[in-house]
Amino acid sequence: AQRVTQPEKLLSVFKGAPVELKCNYSYSGSPELFWYVQYSRQRLQLLLRHISRESIKGFTADLNKGETSFHLKKPFAQEEDSAMYYCALRVSGAGSYQLTFGKGTKLSVIP
Amino acid sequence: KAGVTQTPRYLIKTRGQQVTLSCSPISGHRSVSWYQQTPGQGLQFLFEYFSETQRNKGNFPGRFSGRQFSNSRSEMNVSTLELGDSALYLCASSPGGTSGNEQFFGPGTRLTVL
Repeated sequence: AQRVTQPEKLLSVFKGAPVELKCNYSYSGSPELFWYVQYSRQRLQLLLRHISRESIKGFTADLNKGETSFHLKKPFAQEEDSAMYYCALRVSGAGSYQLTFGKGTKLSVIP
Repeated sequence: KAGVTQTPRYLIKTRGQQVTLSCSPISGHRSVSWYQQTPGQGLQFLFEYFSETQRNKGNFPGRFSGRQFSNSRSEMNVSTLELGDSALYLCASSPGGTSGNEQFFGPGTRLTVL
């Protein structure tokens, strides 16, 4: 069975400092990886997905199949980045849409 | 386009009762998934419906069931409620099953079982 691990429940950084939110996964097949974000009092929303290889709000994430990781990075944290971040894995090839989520990391950016 | 809507937003029930939650997906979306979110277990997949058929099911007891209507609206039902069923239930919709499709989440229904 697939699994997603986010080792940090809480991460506090100062404004302007680099941010790295860790995500490791366990899956025998070819995964699709996502980062979702939930700002205070807002619904869960997609931040980025590995197949797009895009940068959203200054965040990037690279899929490392050798290390089975999909860490989220941003060079300079902003106060508005404070939120809950969830790493998620989709089992591909089944045609269905099932996401397996990590337990989330709460990012707090200190002004 | 209007986002995913869920009703009701809050619900209080007692043990042994049953409950039905409703989800209206984004117009044109045919896939609807349900998740349970609790502080201890995080977000856990319940089931997914696509074109009125359950396509995938998570590891939950049979007390949790769902269905999807021809207009893609979905309901989930929990029978014989237990205290541990207290959670935020999230619904998410997606256009279809192909890779890379974004899943859009609703605001959730907060269920409290007393």
